[in-house]
Formats: sequence, C-alpha cells, structure tokens
Amino acid sequence: SYDLTQPLSVSVALGQTATITCGGNNIGSKDVHWYQQKPGQAPVLVMYLNSNRPSGIPERFSGSNSGKTATLTISRAQAGDEADYYCQVWDSRTALFGGGTKLTVL
Amino acid sequence: QVQLVESGGGVVQPGGSLRLSCAASGFTFSNHGMHWVRQAPGKGLEWVAFILYDGNNKFYAESVKGRFTISRDNSKNTLYLQIHSLRTEDTAVYYCAKDFTSSWTRYFDYWGQGTLVTVSS
Repeated sequence: SYDLTQPLSVSVALGQTATITCGGNNIGSKDVHWYQQKPGQAPVLVMYLNSNRPSGIPERFSGSNSGKTATLTISRAQAGDEADYYCQVWDSRTALFGGGTKLTVL
Repeated sequence: QVQLVESGGGVVQPGGSLRLSCAASGFTFSNHGMHWVRQAPGKGLEWVAFILYDGNNKFYAESVKGRFTISRDNSKNTLYLQIHSLRTEDTAVYYCAKDFTSSWTRYFDYWGQGTLVTVSS
C-alpha cells in the first residue's frame, strides 16, 4: 500500500512561516490535498489539487508538490493556525491520509 | 450552504451492530459521491468507505471490508453506514464527507461534525 509520511509536530514563531511536509514515493505524480483540524472540530479542507485554496482560506496558505514531497506552507503564522494538519491522496480506489502534523504557534 | 449531519452513534457491545446516518442539505445530493471517514480517540484520520452518486459503485478500506456497508437514499438525501461485528478498535468519531472528484483524484470538500461510536462491554 501507499504510505504518506508527515512529521508528528512542527513549531513556528508567531508571524513566521511554517512548513508542513508530506512524503511519499513519487508523490509528485499524485494530487495532494490538505485538511486542518482544530481540537473538537471536524476537519476543514485548506488546500486541494496540491496548490489550490478553497474559498475562505487565507492567502497565507499555499501548497506545492514535487518529487517525493508535498508541502503546505503557512506564512505569517497566527495563533488561530494552531491545529492538526493532514495530507491526503486518492490511490487505487482508496483515500489515504498522512499521520497528521500538530502545528504549534509559539 | 452545505450541511452534513451525522446521527446514530452510541455505545455498543463488541460483536454488535449499528447504523449511522448522514443527512445532507445545501447541495444536490444525488449528483455527488459521499464518504465515511473515522477518527479513533487521539488518533489520525482513517478513510472508511465511498459510494458513487448513484450508489452503483462502492469502495471500502481493507480494515472494514465484509463488516461495513455504505449505502444511500437519494430520495431522502441521506447517507448510511451499516456496521456489523463491531470491535473495540472500531471506537471512533465517524464523519461523513462530501466527495469532490477531479481527473484521477478525489477529496473531501465538506465534512459533518461526526458521531461517536464506542464499542465496549
């Protein structure tokens, strides 16, 4: 099966840039989607098709995907960005999620 | 606006059965595939099952094949998940999610708030 690898945690200083990675074999050939989940809440789509922001998601969120790594970048991080972030792909009639990354804003 | 409201969760004994429902509104339900995704306490997201817009194609995670059945009633704008032979490891919040498909990929553009299933004796 196809595995997606995310760091367990990422810390970022308030106002700085956070980078959350999602690794997978030749993931650059797949479309990657990202979800934000705050404690006690349902996940929210924050990036789709690698680099597209849904309506209502701030421009501070951006995404890229190449080679073995997909990346979600959050610029000018705010306290409200603290959450768990999950990458996801669709592969062989199955949805796969990365293990999730806890983003802490210091 | 899109709304997905799950129901049917609760406490059930190992080996028991349960049927979860997801009432959809704010979009043309019969035009979209739907998914179930679950999350065990303190753990990550796990995709469970998908059903095509017309109910004619269904896909399942290996971990639930043979025990879970996804279905839908387009006349009622409702998605279902029938769960049999429940195990303690099925304890989780179960979310329904609306499907969006583009080229060869699918993702979840809207999620419900989830319903908690607890399997315990």
